[in-house]
Amino acid sequence: EAQVTQNPRYLITVTGKKLTVTCSQNMNHEYMSWYRQDPGLGLRQIYYSMNVEVTDKGDVPEGYKVSRKEKRNFPLILESPSPNQTSLYFCASSLDFGTYNEQFFGPGTRLTVL
Amino acid sequence: RKEVEQDPGPFNVPEGATVAFNCTYSNSASQSFFWYRQDCRKEPKLLMSVYSSGNEDGRFTAQLNRASQYISLLIRDSKLSDSATYLCVVNRDYKLSFGAGTTVTVRA
Repeated sequence: EAQVTQNPRYLITVTGKKLTVTCSQNMNHEYMSWYRQDPGLGLRQIYYSMNVEVTDKGDVPEGYKVSRKEKRNFPLILESPSPNQTSLYFCASSLDFGTYNEQFFGPGTRLTVL
Repeated sequence: RKEVEQDPGPFNVPEGATVAFNCTYSNSASQSFFWYRQDCRKEPKLLMSVYSSGNEDGRFTAQLNRASQYISLLIRDSKLSDSATYLCVVNRDYKLSFGAGTTVTVRA
């Protein structure tokens, strides 16, 4: 089944404790991205990747890191999480970044930072 | 100013009714446009792309007005299953910008 998977789905952690949220897609997509969703603000792009070893900042990259060592994986790293990073996170992928390519989203990760 | 703005609603409509809502975008260089559907904070899913000439997909009709920088979505013959949040999405230079969503509730 073609899909985007994220792990963990739910995470409660404490300020400053490094964490990684994994994202994997099995559709051989070139483009992958991370979003956070907060009430009233919509989804905001954190980072995106056009292909292996090519990443770029989105609208809200502060406090996050990413890597793209393999085409299928695009982990999101929070080196020192803070309470303002409490949010719902989505990973997404698309075939490439053609003008009308559909974005396929993972199921989301609910993160709470205490 | 937000890049994409939507009326949050909610729009409460009876089954069988027609409901329509708009989304405005701020950057005239925006290149492509979409409506995504999101159920109860689950993952968004593509509902339809929006083309310059307007397009229809079953009961759903999308329109684009580049001069006034807005897109619209119209749902005819509403079903209970249409209850969701509809996200307006605009693409510019490899970045997608999302509106905060319009909530539609269809009642029996």
